[in-house]
Amino acid sequence: EVQLVESGGGLVQPGRSLRLSCTASGFTFGDYAMSWVRQAPGKGLEWVGFIRSEAYGGTTGYAASLKGRFTISRDDSKSIAFLQMNSLKTEDTAVYYCTSGTYYYLSSGFSPHYWGQGTLVTVSS
Amino acid sequence: NLMLTQPQSVSESPGKTVTISCTRSSGSIASNYVQWYQQRPGSCPTTVIYEDNKRPSGVPDRFSGSIDSSSNSASLTISGLKTEDEADYYCHSYDSRSQVFGGGTKLTVL
Repeated sequence: EVQLVESGGGLVQPGRSLRLSCTASGFTFGDYAMSWVRQAPGKGLEWVGFIRSEAYGGTTGYAASLKGRFTISRDDSKSIAFLQMNSLKTEDTAVYYCTSGTYYYLSSGFSPHYWGQGTLVTVSS
Repeated sequence: NLMLTQPQSVSESPGKTVTISCTRSSGSIASNYVQWYQQRPGSCPTTVIYEDNKRPSGVPDRFSGSIDSSSNSASLTISGLKTEDEADYYCHSYDSRSQVFGGGTKLTVL
């Protein structure tokens, strides 16, 4: 059974940094792209970014709106994906979901398939 | 920038059939796969349709997906509605530069 467990959320002040982790099990982690999606309170889903598998260079793609503040990485030896968030703003307050899915090489697209339960990040002074 | 437009809400009675649309703003709907996610209140999203019309194991065949090039839209159809289908539904697709979710459709089964 595929399981994705996010951790690292909490209350953080504006301007500070936070790193989220996503621990995966039930599948060969290194073979799959991983992504992060967020959902502000009472709002819809918003794409954050994704990281390709090492077979595709382990490269990343991000939502343009994040303007370089967020970085996704992975540790295939531990089956963990990370989301490093810097210069946090109040509008970054959201539940952050980790997803695994399919990367489409020819179109550079990603389709989330499995979702974690999410971790809440609250940015407030 | 790519956008996916969904109706804000739909409602239908138990046992009936409902269709939720997802219209792509630019580029062909057929050029990249469309996914559909269900999110019940207080829960994480789950996949009900992937790659336009495929159902993950465990998703009942009451759920089906399709695309229509003439309207440049995708559709999620739920037949034999049950009260447990009441949820928010999001479509998703992508282009070479971005991955996008629709704004979500609240399905009420009354």
